[in-house]
Amino acid sequence: GENVEQHPSTLSVQEGDSAVIKCTYSDSASNYFPWYKQELGKRPQLIIDIRSNVGEKKDQRIAVTLNKTAKHFSLHITETQPEDSAVYFCAAIKARKLTFGKGITLSVRP
Amino acid sequence: DAGVTQSPTHLIKTRGQQVTLRCSPKSGHDTVSWYQQALGQGPQFIFQYYEEEERQRGNFPDRFSGHQFPNYSSELNVNALLLGDSALYLCASSPAPRTDIYGYTFGSGTRLTVV
Repeated sequence: GENVEQHPSTLSVQEGDSAVIKCTYSDSASNYFPWYKQELGKRPQLIIDIRSNVGEKKDQRIAVTLNKTAKHFSLHITETQPEDSAVYFCAAIKARKLTFGKGITLSVRP
Repeated sequence: DAGVTQSPTHLIKTRGQQVTLRCSPKSGHDTVSWYQQALGQGPQFIFQYYEEEERQRGNFPDRFSGHQFPNYSSELNVNALLLGDSALYLCASSPAPRTDIYGYTFGSGTRLTVV
């Protein structure tokens, strides 16, 4: 089955700096890649997604890039703010099954 | 907004007991997936229901079973509870597989503690 690896496991940045979170996936048949933000004790919230036929997608301060050849996709957050502090999960979908990475804890220092 | 609703929100059970968790999907969604999220881990896929049948299953023992009703709501049953079953159980709904839409929406989860 699909295996999604996420690294690093923790990331600390200064407020205003950029943060980049990288993921790899194993199954080339995966065709949809969502990113979720989960705050403590809350549900995962979709923040951005990308389909396999697109290389990059941007939504305000958040962007996602996809390299299908290398099976890499990355989340880019610019001008980070303290409220961006949370756990971020990358995921991949193949045949309607959503597989998550282990998550990264992002801390934004004021 | 008819999002995904789960009940109960919290539950404490004793080892060996059985538990049933419930999920109502978002309006317009007819596929329900269940996930187990242990503390500090990513959600792990348990199974997925569509048209009242289990369509896909993750690496979980037969103690985990489910059901989907004609109104698309779903139940997750866990028998012979173990301490290791303590986790946040998330339900996610999505549009039918026949569509080209991948919008997964998660419920707030049920926090199960096994003592």
